[in-house]
Amino acid sequence: RKEVEQDPGPFNVPEGATVAFNCTYSNSASQSFFWYRQDCRKEPKLLMSVYSSGNEDGRFTAQLNRASQYISLLIRDSKLSDSATYLCVVSSSASKIIFGSGTRLSIRP
Amino acid sequence: EAQVTQNPRYLITVTGKKLTVTCSQNMNHEYMSWYRQDPGLGLRQIYYSMNVEVTDKGDVPEGYKVSRKEKRNFPLILESPSPNQTSLYFCASSFAGTDREAFFGQGTRLTVV
Repeated sequence: RKEVEQDPGPFNVPEGATVAFNCTYSNSASQSFFWYRQDCRKEPKLLMSVYSSGNEDGRFTAQLNRASQYISLLIRDSKLSDSATYLCVVSSSASKIIFGSGTRLSIRP
Repeated sequence: EAQVTQNPRYLITVTGKKLTVTCSQNMNHEYMSWYRQDPGLGLRQIYYSMNVEVTDKGDVPEGYKVSRKEKRNFPLILESPSPNQTSLYFCASSFAGTDREAFFGQGTRLTVV
């Protein structure tokens, strides 16, 4: 079993739709959680950190469920510019970091 | 401008010919790391460095070497490249460790024939 698992997609949704991704992790000692965005052939960039209390940044909401060991990302009112691959990232120590293989999202007009 | 700079961006080489991919950051970050990204496998950590002269293996270190003689630089060395090292490579840096935002270089697309 992979340490961090994501549904690879692709998710193909119309503009304006709400879309949600989940990511599960296997190490219960994991400490830090992030969502990164990666555009085609570009470097990953931080979208948002995920806190225990959940956090929201505009149209994006991230949640952490420690009991079930998953994190989620919700995108509301999706835009064409949201088309990208979304990477779930989990850190279990100061040095150990695991990237999920990513979920591809495609927004259609 | 705060950035992580990798060179070269693209490289085609032959099996067995030693090569170095450079990585430099100007943010005074302690933590630096190298990843390779392959279709369906995501980013996998090759090596990381918590600070100058401190390096350690990641998940896929075989066939690679690194050094950290200065805080800003973290070169990746392939002593004898093989075709299975054809991949997209990213260097990243962050303050202190993995609980902080990682800043990535633009990537190096390496092809070994």
